[in-house]
Amino acid sequence: QSVLAQPPSVSGAPGQTVTISCAGSGSNIGAGFDVHWYQQFPGAAPKLLIYRNNNRPSGVPDRFSGSKSGTSASLAITGLRAEDEAHYYCQSRDSGLSGSLFGGGTKVTV
Amino acid sequence: EVQLVESGGGLIQWGGSLRLSCAASGFTVSSSHLAWVRQAPGRGLEWVSTLYNAGATFYTDSVRDRFTISRDNSKNTLYLQMNSLRADDTAVYYCARATISWFGDADGFDVWGQGTGVTVSP
Repeated sequence: QSVLAQPPSVSGAPGQTVTISCAGSGSNIGAGFDVHWYQQFPGAAPKLLIYRNNNRPSGVPDRFSGSKSGTSASLAITGLRAEDEAHYYCQSRDSGLSGSLFGGGTKVTV
Repeated sequence: EVQLVESGGGLIQWGGSLRLSCAASGFTVSSSHLAWVRQAPGRGLEWVSTLYNAGATFYTDSVRDRFTISRDNSKNTLYLQMNSLRADDTAVYYCARATISWFGDADGFDVWGQGTGVTVSP
């Protein structure tokens, strides 16, 4: 059971919008720590998708967006494409821990 | 080009030791926060350890006292010495560069290596 809770899976038709939640607590997301999101394809390394809650690295399509409110964060994928099928992980920090926290991951199926 | 390349993984017996290496290019390890993140088969990502640019080290509870993170600035390489290996250490191990938060802490991970697999057998 991850400290950052994500739904195991979400699905949507091409062109639709899906949202992945990342539920934390007052000691991590709610304490003001930033949330980052990663995309991972099978057999590949994770790739930074969203950093500091709502920022996209160069090259990431604007179909991907992040938000944070209270003790939770969300990743939205609009205009869903078949190539978006992957696992997505949120990551943050916690005031009670010395390192990083990852959510359990969400598999997106198109 | 900014890049991380891991090596050193393999099949090791329970209780054995292994040293992973992560060669960096395009940036200097001494000025960066660097981390190891692992992924057990079919599982999610798990943070293992971080080495700050100033030298501070941090570990997840399950590896503290068994794993040691270090770097060789002259080789621009990060290491993870793993001792007393157990079955639940079986995973792909990624090295990653951490961005630095407003407070100077390791934050998100913007550069990842391709990973190296470690399998611990009975």
